[in-house]
Order: sequence, then structure tokens, then C-alpha cells
Amino acid sequence: DSGVTQTPKHLITATGQRVTLRCSPRSGDLSVYWYQQSLDQGLQFLIQYYNGEERAKGNILERFSAQQFPDLHSELNLSSLELGDSALYFCASSVGGTQETQYFGPGTRLLVL
Amino acid sequence: AQSVTQPDIHITVSEGASLELRCNYSYGATPYLFWYVQSPGQGLQLLLKYFSGDTLVQGIKGFEAEFKRSQSSFNLRKPSVHWSDAAEYFCAVGFNTNAGKSTFGDGTTLTVKP
Repeated sequence: DSGVTQTPKHLITATGQRVTLRCSPRSGDLSVYWYQQSLDQGLQFLIQYYNGEERAKGNILERFSAQQFPDLHSELNLSSLELGDSALYFCASSVGGTQETQYFGPGTRLLVL
Repeated sequence: AQSVTQPDIHITVSEGASLELRCNYSYGATPYLFWYVQSPGQGLQLLLKYFSGDTLVQGIKGFEAEFKRSQSSFNLRKPSVHWSDAAEYFCAVGFNTNAGKSTFGDGTTLTVKP
């Protein structure tokens, strides 16, 4: 158990819909990272937040957005969902905002039908 | 642009045999290098990392990796594989910035034969 929690574990929805994935970092960690893992794209970094501020951006679509709240939990919002958005979405956290050990949550498996 | 290549998609070894998983990177500066393991249905767990200093890095679960700048490689090794090591292994490279952004390889799936 990494100490990072993600909800929900599984999510099934239809194309065009919007979903919110939630992540609670380890106690004391200020950074939250979001990753997408799919069969065709592999593991892709989406976005990083550090203490409420966006720190780094990766291959995140404009239909996707994220935020980190004052209590340091984070939410990833996926809208206008397409079949290709079906993937495993991981959240990770670390103490600081630079190259440190990232602790991964168990992931949210999203299926878009 | 930075990239990570794991040339072997799938490797099968016998239990007790040695293991080497290959990782090559492309990055203009000194990279931060990581190896992660992902068991089925689980998140990723950090095995080891290299930032600077001794190029032979020891990690958890008996794994080690060696950074070879001249070959742009960071291969993962284990002298004797256990059945519980069957999993998917990811190599990742981080950037020398103030952010934690990393690029991951496509992964190598390890099967362990009894």
C-alpha cells in the first residue's frame, strides 16, 4: 500500500459524458501527478500539481483538466469522452515538486462505451 | 526530444536464472533514471533510481541497475529471479528541471518459468 488513494476503482460511462477522478496523496506529499496508461499509448504523463499550482504539463488533452485543492487532494476531469479515452488513470504523489520518488495509487480503470 | 526505449517487449526466464532488462534513453543532459515494477492490477512501484554519483545503483527486491553514459543505457539486473518477480517493468527518464515530469518506456513483461 503506497498511501495514495484513488476513487473510484472502476468507471463505466458513455461517449460524450464527463467524469471526475479523485486522488488523495500520501500524508505530507505536496505534489500530485496524473498518468494515463493505455494499450496503444503506454504510460503517459498528463499533468503535475505542486501545492495547488500547476507545475508541469504533459500530453494532456484540452478536454481534460485537473486541479489540486487546499487539502492537497486532486481531481482529474475528463469531458466529451471518446472511446479512445478508455484507459487506466494513475495518480502519484511525492514530497516535493522535482525528481523524487513518486508513489503511485492503484489507479482508476475507465471504460467508455 | 527525450525518449526511452525498452527493446524487449516480453522476456521469459527460468526461476533462479539471472535477469537483465534493457533500457536506452535519449536526453540532452544528465538524466534522472528510474525503474518501476507493475504487478497485474496494481500501480507502479519504484525499484530504484539514479540521480548522480555511483553508477551502480541498488534497489529493492534484490534489483540493481547500472548507468552507462557512453551507451545511454540504464539496464536492470537481478542475479536470481523468483516467481514473484513476474510483472511488467518500466524504465523512465526525468528531466533536470524544477518539475517531476517523467517519460516512460513501453515496458517489458517478465514471465518466470518454474
